[in-house]
Amino acid sequence: EPEVTQTPSHQVTQMGQEVILRCVPISNHLYFYWYRQILGQKVEFLVSFYNNEISEKSEIFDDQFSVERPDGSNFTLKIRSTKLEDSAMYFCASSEGWETQYFGPGTRLLVL
Amino acid sequence: AQTVTQSQPEMSVQEAETVTLSCTYDTSENNYYLFWYKQPPSRQMILVIRQEAYKQQNATENRFSVNFQKAAKSFSLKISDSQLGDTAMYFCAHAGYSTLTFGKGTMLLVSP
Repeated sequence: EPEVTQTPSHQVTQMGQEVILRCVPISNHLYFYWYRQILGQKVEFLVSFYNNEISEKSEIFDDQFSVERPDGSNFTLKIRSTKLEDSAMYFCASSEGWETQYFGPGTRLLVL
Repeated sequence: AQTVTQSQPEMSVQEAETVTLSCTYDTSENNYYLFWYKQPPSRQMILVIRQEAYKQQNATENRFSVNFQKAAKSFSLKISDSQLGDTAMYFCAHAGYSTLTFGKGTMLLVSP
């Protein structure tokens, strides 16, 4: 059964450093998403991406964040200058239409 | 804006028994989907069941079923014959066009 994959599974970085989180969505899906979950809290929407552009973003997704689909398979989330409060689990999701999103296993980001 | 409320932070049930997790939501959209996701200790988000708002029939997936009350904006999850592997955080989510809005989750503990 096809699934969303994410790399790395864990990332530790120093405050101020740039990080790139990678995702490979399910191959026939057209919609891609990033969510984050701070430890002990609910999952929060960051951004959605369709047809090679951002379709929607939340207030969390400020200028420090960017997304890219550099080739036909990868979907990346870049955090330009990480802050302590960026420590969270980051989930990538994809969907064929807008209805049902399938999540990857997540990347656990720790900013020191 | 959509909101999803899960009023039970924690629930416990014994193996083989039945448990119901509650969820209410608020939405201004006519066409939407509702989901239950399971998050085990590995923190992966696993789709358990989905309900299309325009369908009156309650969705069922093996031991998992929902009670969808559209007028009351209620969407509860029933787990029958609970198993130890059902121990997880359960998130209710609403999908309006594009984004998922999650509740805060209910931690379900299944004991022998």
